[in-house]
Amino acid sequence: AQSVTQLGSHVSVSEGALVLLRCNYSSSVPPYLFWYVQYPNQGLQLLLKYTSAATLVKGINGFEAEFKKSETSFHLTKPSAHMSDAAEYFCAVSSNFGNEKLTFGTGTRLTIIP
Amino acid sequence: GAGVSQSPSNKVTEKGKDVELRCDPISGHTALYWYRQSLGQGLEFLIYFQGNSAPDKSGLPSDRFSAERTGGSVSTLTIQRTQQEDSAVYLCASSQTGRGFQFGSGTRLTVV
Repeated sequence: AQSVTQLGSHVSVSEGALVLLRCNYSSSVPPYLFWYVQYPNQGLQLLLKYTSAATLVKGINGFEAEFKKSETSFHLTKPSAHMSDAAEYFCAVSSNFGNEKLTFGTGTRLTIIP
Repeated sequence: GAGVSQSPSNKVTEKGKDVELRCDPISGHTALYWYRQSLGQGLEFLIYFQGNSAPDKSGLPSDRFSAERTGGSVSTLTIQRTQQEDSAVYLCASSQTGRGFQFGSGTRLTVV
């Protein structure tokens, strides 16, 4: 069984500040890890994915995440927050890439303070 | 089509009525998934179809929920005798090995 825990259901950062959204996973097999973003009244969009290649993964909109097996973490970061980053972010885990269901965390709502 | 299409985008129904939600996956994607997104609950897996294999129904919350996928393409999620707790956004996604998920925009179901 796989699971994901996202610490902090709500995170607020000032515009220009570092964004850090936390995700810890549990998996009995080597995981595939994902971050999705959901803007208001829209569907989910893939930000980035870890598929057992490089542990530091770069995604769209300046986001990146680092896979740390020893910490079972896959935290999402962005050096400088922009107002357009305000959205809900979901971490997800799977045992495959494109051929198995995703298990999602409960999400983190990111608010950007002007 | 260009993406995963879901219909209707919004559905208001009376308690006790049956509803059908439709999902058109991306052409050629062999896997199709249904998720439910309730306020503050994240995304809850419901059911997963992969090619001609028996679907993984492990996430369906009750026997009022069922889904089918005809011809390996279009899928319909049916909720019988709807209850207020069924109110949520129902998301469909499709995928192909090595290509990841593509989500639709969802159907917002409101049971009154």
